[in-house]
Amino acid sequence: AQSVTQLDSQVPVFEEAPVELRCNYSSSVSVYLFWYVQYPNQGLQLLLKYLSGSTLVKGINGFEAEFNKSQTSFHLRKPSVHISDTAEYFCAVTDPGSNYQLIWGAGTKLIIKP
Amino acid sequence: DSGVTQTPKHLITATGQRVTLRCSPRSGDLSVYWYQQSLDQGLQFLIQYYNGEERAKGNILERFSAQQFPDLHSELNLSSLELGDSALYFCASSAVVGPQETQYFGPGTRLLVL
Repeated sequence: AQSVTQLDSQVPVFEEAPVELRCNYSSSVSVYLFWYVQYPNQGLQLLLKYLSGSTLVKGINGFEAEFNKSQTSFHLRKPSVHISDTAEYFCAVTDPGSNYQLIWGAGTKLIIKP
Repeated sequence: DSGVTQTPKHLITATGQRVTLRCSPRSGDLSVYWYQQSLDQGLQFLIQYYNGEERAKGNILERFSAQQFPDLHSELNLSSLELGDSALYFCASSAVVGPQETQYFGPGTRLLVL
């Protein structure tokens, strides 16, 4: 069965520094990948998704992610973070084997230090 | 604002009681998902409805049930509540079902069982 691993439960980073949030999934067969963001006291919101085509996906708020099939990874990056990026970030994957239900990672809290 | 509404925002009740959480999907969305988010379990998919029919079941307890009505709003019923049911319950909706779907999340209902 498909599974998603977000290795870091928290990532502290200084404002204006770059950040990478890691996501690995278990199976590389026809996967579709998503990053959602949850701001404090809010629901989740789609940041970006990979369905096919270019392996570099650009999302909202300056975020991008790269699909790496050989490493079964979909890491999220931002070149320069802002205090408003403080949130929890969730990686999710779906595939035919899971009947296209989203399988969620445990989330990574991005903590921006001033 | 995702367009998904959930009521109530907060709910405090006692063990053994029954509560009903309500969700109105975005206009035109046929699919509704329910999730539970707790500190120890993370984000757990509970159940999905599509146009009034149950489509997929996740980690939903037998004490919990849901339905989607003809006007497409959905209700999640939680009964014989236990302390461990205290969590944030999210509803999400999507227009289509399939790998390309984007789920739009409501603000959640925070349930506290005392």
